[in-house]
Amino acid sequence: DGGITQSPKYLFRKEGQNVTLSCEQNLNHDAMYWYRQDPGQGLRLIYYSQIVNDFQKGDIAEGYSVSREKKESFPLTVTSAQKNPTAFYLCASSPSGTESNYGYTFGSGTRLTVV
Amino acid sequence: AQSVTQLGSHVSVSEGALVLLRCNYSSSVPPYLFWYVQYPNQGLQLLLKYTSAATLVKGINGFEAEFKKSETSFHLTKPSAHMSDAAEYFCAVRPSYNFNKFYFGSGTKLNVKP
Repeated sequence: DGGITQSPKYLFRKEGQNVTLSCEQNLNHDAMYWYRQDPGQGLRLIYYSQIVNDFQKGDIAEGYSVSREKKESFPLTVTSAQKNPTAFYLCASSPSGTESNYGYTFGSGTRLTVV
Repeated sequence: AQSVTQLGSHVSVSEGALVLLRCNYSSSVPPYLFWYVQYPNQGLQLLLKYTSAATLVKGINGFEAEFKKSETSFHLTKPSAHMSDAAEYFCAVRPSYNFNKFYFGSGTKLNVKP
């Protein structure tokens, strides 16, 4: 079955450490997204990518970086510059262009905790 | 800029009672509208979507929502709550002029009492 796989499910980061969250999809979707979820704040967009080798900053990109070398993969790196990284991170994908009424397909999330 | 407002961060109903979760959006042009459900420590699952066809949209698990342009609303309802409906629900808007971005409401946690 097609879907989005996020790994790991739980991740612990030490102060000053970079960590990378994985997101892989086999839906043949062009667009991929990273969201951060904090209690009571809904979902906030970090980065998104519409095509391979191209990506745009979302609303809270500071302290994060991404790459899109393959259509299927959109990893997110949480750098040491992100001062409050403890959150639940969600990856999503969707078709683009004329299929704009399509909703997102979400992964199951990664919970990142600073220790 | 687009915005989505969900009234009530927590809603509590008794099992068998009507569920009503409210969502209002700000847009002069009717966007595409969605409701998602999230169970603890999981991703979001699509419940239903409005894409300018019928204004009353039926989704999974007995949920439905009605698009009311005059009220800029897209409230989610279910006639009879079940214990398994306890979750967090998110309303989302995808502007018809910019399919690259979704705007999410802050979510409503539904508690179902036995």
